[in-house]
Amino acid sequence: DADVTQTPRNRITKTGKRIMLECSQTKGHDRMYWYRQDPGLGLRLIYYSFDVKDINKGEISDGYSVSRQAQAKFSLSLESAIPNQTALYFCATSDLSGGGDTQYFGPGTRLTVL
Amino acid sequence: QKEVEQDPGPLSVPEGAIVSLNCTYSNSAFQYFMWYRQYSRKGPELLMYTYSSGNKEDGRFTAQVDKSSKYISLFIRDSQPSDSATYLCAMRGSSNTGKLIFGQGTTLQVKP
Repeated sequence: DADVTQTPRNRITKTGKRIMLECSQTKGHDRMYWYRQDPGLGLRLIYYSFDVKDINKGEISDGYSVSRQAQAKFSLSLESAIPNQTALYFCATSDLSGGGDTQYFGPGTRLTVL
Repeated sequence: QKEVEQDPGPLSVPEGAIVSLNCTYSNSAFQYFMWYRQYSRKGPELLMYTYSSGNKEDGRFTAQVDKSSKYISLFIRDSQPSDSATYLCAMRGSSNTGKLIFGQGTTLQVKP
């Protein structure tokens, strides 16, 4: 079984709808991250969490919110989706060993907002 | 100007070629440098990790950092079709916040 799982893998929705992307991990890591990937822009950090009570905004948090329900679960919400949020979304985890630079990524969620 | 610049390619080479992938960066505080590999429809995975300037070799892969020029490279020797993927550079400063700055990624195709 995969260590970092994301659901759903694909989602098509309409402008204005609320969307939740979920991430679960079995690696036992404290740190979790949400990124989006767009062609020509690479990976950009949306939010990150160092433990259940610690959540931080990343580079592009506007229009997104997150919830860390447990050490193993980190959800990303789009309260009112808009077309420029169409992207590939990745969840990642890391621990303190190795400086947190080894981030383990999930398989991604492809989101399309019409 | 982006903090990290990477030529998006695509780069197409014949099997067996030596491949050079590069990133430039503007923040002199960056000290930790990584290369991630991303296969199609998969998440990125860490390939190489280096600290400060110098070279690091792992099999057919060599990572090189030149801090004076703010330039990092990944060399792939004897490239194989299985190396076809997108390669992303990533880097951070000395504080261990876990926040990495990624390049845009270079798509590589190795033709048999």
